[in-house]
Amino acid sequence: QVQLVQSGAEVKKPGASVKVSCKASGYTFTSYGMSWVRQAPGQGLEWMGWISVYNGNTNYAQKLQGRVTMTTDTSTSTAYMELRSLRSDDTAVYYCARRAVAGFFDYWGQGTLVTVSS
Amino acid sequence: EIVLTQSPGTLSLSPGERATLSCRASQSVSSSYLAWYQQKPGQAPRLLIYGASSRATGIPDRFSGSGSGTDLTLIISRLEPEDFAVYYCQQYGSSPWTFGQGTKVEIK
Repeated sequence: QVQLVQSGAEVKKPGASVKVSCKASGYTFTSYGMSWVRQAPGQGLEWMGWISVYNGNTNYAQKLQGRVTMTTDTSTSTAYMELRSLRSDDTAVYYCARRAVAGFFDYWGQGTLVTVSS
Repeated sequence: EIVLTQSPGTLSLSPGERATLSCRASQSVSSSYLAWYQQKPGQAPRLLIYGASSRATGIPDRFSGSGSGTDLTLIISRLEPEDFAVYYCQQYGSSPWTFGQGTKVEIK
């Protein structure tokens, strides 16, 4: 069965970076894209971007351009999302989500809480 | 950017009742690229509907989606206790892919 297992919670200081991992299993990793979505406390879902696992192409939300990098390691079927220059409003649960060929997000990781606090 | 506006913000209903959730887009979206997700407290979202009207694997048939252009609807024909949650619409046809702000379906 398809599973996306994310790394554990992180606490970071403002200005630091965080790298969240998402290990996939149960399907051919290179056949699907991977999106990242975040959710601030008590708020809705915000799409951050996605990466084509097949060729490494990325598409980032404009508001995060320059601060976010999405990568994959096909040898371990793991996707990564790095966010730099963290601010307090980056405090959120970060989700990876498999992007189906048609574009919707059919499987989600369990989420990783990133807390940015001095 | 396509803005999705969901209504109502909160829907208070009893088990067994019918729930109708709306999602309006700021510009036309192909129905092929519209989805609905369910999220329960402390859990990741779960895909319910894609392509505006196709149920995802394992989703019961009391959930149905319809609509095209700028108006999308999710109907839960008879609410079960496990259906009380927050529901989000999403468009994935035009970057940036966007979500609505959510509709909370709560027990009356």
